[in-house]
Formats: sequence, C-alpha cells, structure tokens
Amino acid sequence: QQQVKQSPQSLIVQKGGISIINCAYENTAFDYFPWYQQFPGKGPALLIAIRPDVSEKKEGRFTISFNKSAKQFSLHIMDSQPGDSATYFCAASRNTGTASKLTFGTGTRLQVTL
Amino acid sequence: GAVVSQHPSRVICKSGTSVKIECRSLDFQATTMFWYRQFPKQSLMLMATSNEGSKATYEQGVEKDKFLINHASLTLSTLTVTSAHPEDSSFYICSARADRGIGQPQHFGDGTRLSIL
Repeated sequence: QQQVKQSPQSLIVQKGGISIINCAYENTAFDYFPWYQQFPGKGPALLIAIRPDVSEKKEGRFTISFNKSAKQFSLHIMDSQPGDSATYFCAASRNTGTASKLTFGTGTRLQVTL
Repeated sequence: GAVVSQHPSRVICKSGTSVKIECRSLDFQATTMFWYRQFPKQSLMLMATSNEGSKATYEQGVEKDKFLINHASLTLSTLTVTSAHPEDSSFYICSARADRGIGQPQHFGDGTRLSIL
C-alpha cells in the first residue's frame, strides 16, 4: 500500500529531446505528488508538485501529468539540456496530519547528451 | 527561501566514535524535520520523523538508541550516530517542513557523507 514504483531506472536523451519518467502508486489516500531532482553529493531539490484535483501542472520546461483513475503520474522535461542530467525521484504522501511522510520512488538517472 | 543547512558535509572517523550531524532551517521555522539515509544509487530511506519539543518517531528497523535525534528548537534538529561502525557509513540527509503537514513541502539539506574506518 505504501509503494511508489518508478520507471525507467535510467534514461539517455539527446539535447533538445523530451525526457519522460513515470510513477505509479497504490495507496489511494495519497494526495500530494512531488518530484525531486538530485545531483551527485547533494540533497534532493523540489522540482514541481501536483495534487489530485488537477490532471496537469506545468512550470517552465517541467510538466507533471496525473491520472487519478490509473494511479499514475509522470514528469516530462521538454527541451532537455545537459544541465538536467541528474537523478529524479517521484514521491507521494498523504498531506494531512503530523505523520504525513513522503514515500519515494526508486529514482531515475537521466543523462542528456550533446 | 526555504533553505535547509546541514553540517558537516563530510565526516571521516574511527569505529566506535559518536558523530553528531546538525540540520538547520535558515529562513523558516520547521515544526517537523525528517532524517533519511541513502545508499549509493538508491532511493532515500526515511529513518525518523521529529517534531519540535517531542520525541522522534522512528521507522521500523531503525535503532533509536543507535540514532539519537533531538529537535530542541524550531530551526535545529540533530542526529547523533552513537558508537558508529563501518556499516553505518552512508549519506545522511535531513529535510524540514514549515508546518504540521498541510500544504507545505519538505525542503532538503545537502546531506552528510559519513565514512567510518
């Protein structure tokens, strides 16, 4: 019930291409879905987040698509750049109460080539 | 805004030493702080959740006497790894959240690389 499955494990995209990372969850009580970007030796940085009352959220080159019925959400990185090369984690939580905790996906290592 | 500072960034010490890691929220008051452990090329594993002024809640399998957590103020939480051994070597990351969970994201520090010789 607490799992968040993430795919692919690794991804190579050419500069200017679209990077797509997918996540699926099981717990229907989850109501907050953030994506984090992590560079080597650094902590994760919040990239973009969505709540289940909308199906899509866009911030710059980053878009989250959310499918509540399928219990899936994905991150699209448009016009991918070498500087986007990092590990991306999806996460989910119940955003209520003092005990709300993030459940992380397994991560996707993105490499954007020239 | 929402900066979380973690110190030190790297520690190398001998087996049996106790190591303290600090996590500070620099520009907001963190009611809740979280401590994670991350092995190479793996995801973040939550170790414990701490609320200011109360005892930490540890995840299943995490030894509370081994990993001491103190959240004495709204801007500071500390993790002490007691009598550290080589198997405790890992990347430890803290995060902080401004309120008790409704609508606020977690902001992460830059982690502490702990190496026990």
